[in-house]
Amino acid sequence: GESVGLHLPTLSVQEGDNSIINCAYSNSASDYFIWYKQESGKGPQFIIDIRSNMDKRQGQRVTVLLNKTVKHLSLQIAATQPGDSAVYFCAENAWRGYALNFGKGTSLLVTP
Amino acid sequence: EAGVTQFPSHSVIEKGQTVTLRCDPISGHDNLYWYRRVMGKEIKFLLHFVKESKQDESGMPNNRFLAERTGGTYSTLKVQPAELEDSGVYFCASSQKGTGVSYEQYFGPGTRLTVT
Repeated sequence: GESVGLHLPTLSVQEGDNSIINCAYSNSASDYFIWYKQESGKGPQFIIDIRSNMDKRQGQRVTVLLNKTVKHLSLQIAATQPGDSAVYFCAENAWRGYALNFGKGTSLLVTP
Repeated sequence: EAGVTQFPSHSVIEKGQTVTLRCDPISGHDNLYWYRRVMGKEIKFLLHFVKESKQDESGMPNNRFLAERTGGTYSTLKVQPAELEDSGVYFCASSQKGTGVSYEQYFGPGTRLTVT
């Protein structure tokens, strides 16, 4: 069936470096994409979203890139900090759909 | 403003027993969702309420799961009888009223269910 998947289960970066987390999706009807951050003992927390009519969106220290041609989504975190250590999930749904379809998650570890 | 709250935070029950999970959404949010994450797997959608009505329950695994949202406020998810494969973390989320537009879903901290 349709799926959302992540390329790497874990990512280790040094404090101050930039991080890039990738995600592939297969549903061509996907219209809305979201990145969530989940810290230990907490629920997923919204980071940034992007609609399919855009290919880039920036937030505070984060940028999401969407390549609809190859069905690829990425999250870039600038100047990664220890507080960024968490599991990151990409999720998507289709227009007029509410149910989010999540990927497996990438664990980001920021080392000093 | 209080976020989405869930109770209990952790539940350990034996196979065959019944467990009821509770979710209190953000005040004023018409949309309420249940998701779960089984160990090692991705977070999976279970169902979606709009106020007290079930909008989409396509993710409910079987008839041992019953979700209710009486009065359109808090929701409960009952598992009866619980099986070993039901173990996992159950998340509740809520979002504002929307018509054909996806609004940001705010997640609660989850209930960790362990069936032994």
